Amino acid sequence: SQQGEEDPQALSIQEGENATMNCSYKTSINNLQWYRQNSGRGLVHLILIRSNEREKHSGRLRVTLDTSKKSSSLLITASRAADTASYFCATGSRSARQLTFGSGTQLTVLP
Amino acid sequence: EAQVTQNPRYLITVTGKKLTVTCSQNMNHEYMSWYRQDPGLGLRQIYYSMNVEVTDKGDVPEGYKVSRKEKRNFPLILESPSPNQTSLYFCASSYSQNTEAFFGQGTRLTVV
Repeated sequence: SQQGEEDPQALSIQEGENATMNCSYKTSINNLQWYRQNSGRGLVHLILIRSNEREKHSGRLRVTLDTSKKSSSLLITASRAADTASYFCATGSRSARQLTFGSGTQLTVLP
Repeated sequence: EAQVTQNPRYLITVTGKKLTVTCSQNMNHEYMSWYRQDPGLGLRQIYYSMNVEVTDKGDVPEGYKVSRKEKRNFPLILESPSPNQTSLYFCASSYSQNTEAFFGQGTRLTVV
């Protein structure tokens, strides 16, 4: 069952620009996580934000969470060609027995 | 190094020939799960395990079996593979069901 939905489905930007991806979800959550997947490879955890947090930073990544709107955004600043990948949000809740992944945003950073 | 190891990475098999994809983690995680990833459908959970000898169905369990006899291993078994099980499979482990998940490198399975 998919709870998170990313927007846009695909995003193409120039190197050096910022990339913003959004995630919306339906039910209450304990935390929201963002993952990155290079083509055909395993997902790699980027950042976790708890439901009582509004913003979190990690290097060039900035994540915001608005529980009233049931949405989150991932901002990648000063993007690089190596940031080209698919990005997924995943929600965790005490009631669910699994992380629930969205369908992902395909980011392409052009050199 | 903390890791989840899946084998094999690539597998081509014929319809009906039983196969097992192995998964092992070295982080002493209690929670392990299997996902399949298909274009346009995202990641869908097949089975999960919350501890040794405790397994349960995910969203798409039909045609699959799992076992959890040891904490570190969680093999995925296809007793009679069919072409609609052609997919990219991922094993993942985590401390609990909604904490950071560590993924294996994936197994690309083709059933002809």
